[in-house]
Amino acid sequence: DIQMTQSPSSLSASVGDRVTITCQASQDISNDLNWYQQKPGKAPKLLIYGTSYLETGVPSRFSGSGSGTDFTFTISSLQPEDIATYYCQQSDTLPLTFGGGTKVEIK
Amino acid sequence: EVQLVQSGAEVKKPGESLKISCKGSGYSFTSYWIGWVRQMPGKGLEWMGVIYPGDSDTTYSPSFQGQVTISADKSLSTAYLEWSSLKGSDSAMYYCARPTDGYNTSPFDYWGQGTLVTVSS
Repeated sequence: DIQMTQSPSSLSASVGDRVTITCQASQDISNDLNWYQQKPGKAPKLLIYGTSYLETGVPSRFSGSGSGTDFTFTISSLQPEDIATYYCQQSDTLPLTFGGGTKVEIK
Repeated sequence: EVQLVQSGAEVKKPGESLKISCKGSGYSFTSYWIGWVRQMPGKGLEWMGVIYPGDSDTTYSPSFQGQVTISADKSLSTAYLEWSSLKGSDSAMYYCARPTDGYNTSPFDYWGQGTLVTVSS
């Protein structure tokens, strides 16, 4: 299986801050990297697919970049409604695998 | 509107069997894979496997192979996740989800509401 290492596991930032989460794959996954947002008690929501493509309706403050084994997810200006846990997922090879998650809190 | 509606919460004893369901609507159920994702209490997401309801082609994660059975009834537009003998470690929230297109490697853009399974003596 491809291992996905996500960091940090948690972070605390102020409203308006730029937030960055990284995800590293154990092998080359090209650009087959997706990001999900999960709010407490809710199902995950797909935010970004194919490394950098925003799902319809997702605010433009969310973005993604990278290729190969190293990927980055950014919230350009953190909003209160962005409080959630974020997961990366590789969709290059079955079984698809998720990173361990990053819990984002407001400082 | 695409919807995945899962069956309700379950409380079971170790050793019991269980089958939970996920009913799809608003799209061609036989044209998209359906996947299952486990989330243990306070933990992350784990991809369990996928099934193609059109022909019941199924792929499991090695971590779940032999531990659960994924099936589908295309006449009912329903996918299932089944255990023959539950363990306490099966206690978790289980989500079904549908990929963005017709490939089993595509990300999931539609999710069920989740089914909470509690296994306790």
